[in-house]
Amino acid sequence: SYELTRPLSVSVALGQTARITCGGNNIGSKNVHWYQQKPGQAPVLVIYRDTNRPSGIPERFSASNSGNTATLTISRAQAGDEADYFCQVWDNRVVFGGGTKLTVL
Amino acid sequence: EVQLVQSGGGLVQPGGSVRLSCAASGFTVSSNYMNWVRQAPEKGLEWVSVIYSGSDTTYYADSVKGRFSISRDNSKNTLNLQMNSLRPEDTAVYYCVRSVDISTGTVTRYFDLWGRGTLVTVSS
Repeated sequence: SYELTRPLSVSVALGQTARITCGGNNIGSKNVHWYQQKPGQAPVLVIYRDTNRPSGIPERFSASNSGNTATLTISRAQAGDEADYFCQVWDNRVVFGGGTKLTVL
Repeated sequence: EVQLVQSGGGLVQPGGSVRLSCAASGFTVSSNYMNWVRQAPEKGLEWVSVIYSGSDTTYYADSVKGRFSISRDNSKNTLNLQMNSLRPEDTAVYYCVRSVDISTGTVTRYFDLWGRGTLVTVSS
């Protein structure tokens, strides 16, 4: 079965750029989607189909996908960006990554 | 407003049953792919089941196949999940989720609208 790897945690200074990676075998051939989940809340879609932002998601959120790594980039990180971030792909079934906790220092 | 409002859940004994419901507003459940996704305490997300738009085609994760049943009530614009033969490992927050399914080019599914979730605890 297809597996996604990720760092358990990422820290970023306030106002700096955070990068959260999602690794998988030839993940660049798949569409990667990203979700933000704040404590006690449901996940929210922040990036779909590799690079697209849903309406209402700030331009500070961007992403890329190539080779064996997809990356979610959060520019000018804010305290409100602290959350768990999950990547997700389709590999004949839904596959979620395990989640990365972003801490804004 | 486009939203999903969930109900049901709670504490249930092992081997017991519970039914979750999800009322949609602002869009039509039967015209969309609708899913259940769960999250065990302090764990990641696990897809559970999907029902396709315009048909009664359903799919389930292996972990719940034969025990859970997804359905729609078009008259009430709701999605349901009947959960039988519950096990302690089914303990989780269950989310009702709308998905976008792409079946041409790079096939994919992503989840664009989530309910707030409902906790199901399976314990004696």
